[in-house]
Amino acid sequence: GENVEQHPSTLSVQEGDSAVIKCTYSDSASNYFPWYKQELGKRPQLIIDIRSNVGEKKDQRIAVTLNKTAKHFSLHITETQPEDSAVYFCAAPTGNQFYFGTGTSLTVIP
Amino acid sequence: DTEVTQTPKHLVMGMTNKKSLKCEQHMGHRAMYWYKQKAKKPPELMFVYSYEKLSINESVPSRFSPECPNSSLLNLHLHALQPEDSALYLCASRWGRNMNTEAFFGQGTRLTVV
Repeated sequence: GENVEQHPSTLSVQEGDSAVIKCTYSDSASNYFPWYKQELGKRPQLIIDIRSNVGEKKDQRIAVTLNKTAKHFSLHITETQPEDSAVYFCAAPTGNQFYFGTGTSLTVIP
Repeated sequence: DTEVTQTPKHLVMGMTNKKSLKCEQHMGHRAMYWYKQKAKKPPELMFVYSYEKLSINESVPSRFSPECPNSSLLNLHLHALQPEDSALYLCASRWGRNMNTEAFFGQGTRLTVV
């Protein structure tokens, strides 16, 4: 079953502000942590991922941080734009299992 | 080619019908997945095939029957569905050996059971 908790479930920010979404996992064997963005009516698409040999990864306005000791990882979006509005899912797959967190609906207010 | 292709995009079926959803990828991935997604919910894992063998079945009702005829194709056979089975059905694929890799998703089949 699911092994990832995700918070918050909804998040509203003003355009230009930062957004942070956090996930906590339970399986210490997890060593790959992807983040997906799903726009309304579309498929989930990978936006960034991190492997357990690094603590942080950045790609322009998006970053992911990983704390393996505490078993949590976070998505950071800076300088948010209206097109960032979507549902974001984290995952902590192990082996063939690939379960998603409960999702965060992000709304960026212009 | 980094595409996962699902057909049909939309399907309306009666509760006594038999239909099939199809998924195809040509990335050489050896793990293929079926998910069910209801509105405002995360994709819910149904089945996983690894090297064409069923690896995970998340206690899915038998009215859903998966099939993996070869390494590129994945089917989901539907029979005697209920209205509550109406949802977006997503197919995904990943590399089979190194599992620290992303899942690529198809665009989904929007299923309505009437």
